[in-house]
Amino acid sequence: DIQMTQSPSSLLASTGDRVTITCRASQSIRTYLNWYQQKAGKAPKLLIYATSSLQRGVPSRFSGGGSGTDFTLTISSLQPEDFATYYCQQSYTTPQTFGQGTKLEIK
Amino acid sequence: QVQLQESGPGLVKPSETLSLSCSVSVASISSYHWSWIRQSAGRGLEWIGHIYKSGSTNYNPSLKSRVTMSVDTSKGQFSLNLSSVTAADTAVYYCARAVPAGAGLERWWFDPWGQGTLVTVSS
Repeated sequence: DIQMTQSPSSLLASTGDRVTITCRASQSIRTYLNWYQQKAGKAPKLLIYATSSLQRGVPSRFSGGGSGTDFTLTISSLQPEDFATYYCQQSYTTPQTFGQGTKLEIK
Repeated sequence: QVQLQESGPGLVKPSETLSLSCSVSVASISSYHWSWIRQSAGRGLEWIGHIYKSGSTNYNPSLKSRVTMSVDTSKGQFSLNLSSVTAADTAVYYCARAVPAGAGLERWWFDPWGQGTLVTVSS
């Protein structure tokens, strides 16, 4: 299975900050990388698919990049509703696998 | 807008079979592909398997020997059976629509998800 490793595991930030979360795959996954946001007690919500395509309705302050093994999720200016846990997911091979999550908390 | 809702027992005894259903709000459940995903503190998010709009299935190899998925088009539901459960199968179980990255590609993202249902395995 492809292992997905996110860093950091947790992140303290303030409203208005620019933050970047990294996801590394154990082998190349080309650009088959998706990002999800999960708030406490809720299901994950798709933010970005295929590395950099913003899901409909997701604010443009979210962006994704990368290819091969290294990927990023960037939030350009944190809003209060962005404090949540973020997960990456590779869809290059079966079984699709997820990162362990990055918890974004208010400083 | 597609909506999904899981249902089933919240408590299952060890060695028994976990059975869940997912009701979907689409005119034709056979128009889409569907998945089950679970989340636990120990394993994080884990893809369980797909059921394609053709009715064929693809399971996570780690669970393949214990998993069965099916679709009931008349009820607009798809289901998950996981046999011989242990405490390690305790998790929140989600159903989700599996969206392919392109026609014929076995590459997926999941959108939307159901709200999830907690299943505890305990005697």
